Amino acid sequence: GAVVSQHPSRVICKSGTSVKIECRSLDFQATTMFWYRQFPKQSLMLMATSNEGSKATYEQGVEKDKFLINHASLTLSTLTVTSAHPEDSSFYICSARVRSGVSYNEQFFGPGTRLTVL
Amino acid sequence: KNEVEQSPQNLTAQEGEFITINCSYSVGISALHWLQQHPGGGIVSLFMLSSGKKKHGRLIATINIQEKHSSLHITASHPRDSAVYICAVSPQGGSEKLVFGKGTKLTVNP
Repeated sequence: GAVVSQHPSRVICKSGTSVKIECRSLDFQATTMFWYRQFPKQSLMLMATSNEGSKATYEQGVEKDKFLINHASLTLSTLTVTSAHPEDSSFYICSARVRSGVSYNEQFFGPGTRLTVL
Repeated sequence: KNEVEQSPQNLTAQEGEFITINCSYSVGISALHWLQQHPGGGIVSLFMLSSGKKKHGRLIATINIQEKHSSLHITASHPRDSAVYICAVSPQGGSEKLVFGKGTKLTVNP
């Protein structure tokens, strides 16, 4: 159980376009999802915390108008990179926090989305 | 100084060897997590623990709250164990954010 999926797994786009990444909890409800970015050989960096039905909380230095987060249901959060530029090329990972059962408060991670902006 | 320190940064072992990866942290925590990241990038949650010891297959995780230290052990290591192992902590105080170590890159040679 506790599977998190992401789609797409890999995307290449032209500079200036927008890209949407989906994060789904497949077998549990996730009131809170987290979006991370990871540059090569670096650790994960939290971008924002997404709570179902409310606005996301962004970390310092992360532009909320550029990285739009929507958490419309208990199983789906989306991250849209608007007007993408080459410097946005990175590995984006989501995680979902379990709020019930034996895995209470554990975070489960998606497989990640590799974004390349040309 | 990072709040979560891992050692070693890189580790190369021969198949069958016993592996230990260490994690020290400087903040009060409600839980500590061990994660595994394979070369493709996907992350798997191995353990979440707040005290004592947990075992899953060939993996064992221990934590000493007083010493603010945790270890991840791999018995009878195998090339498929090659990955980056990341220690992360959930700070006390109700913060939802994980604080990550920089990871330990493990390579197990056949």
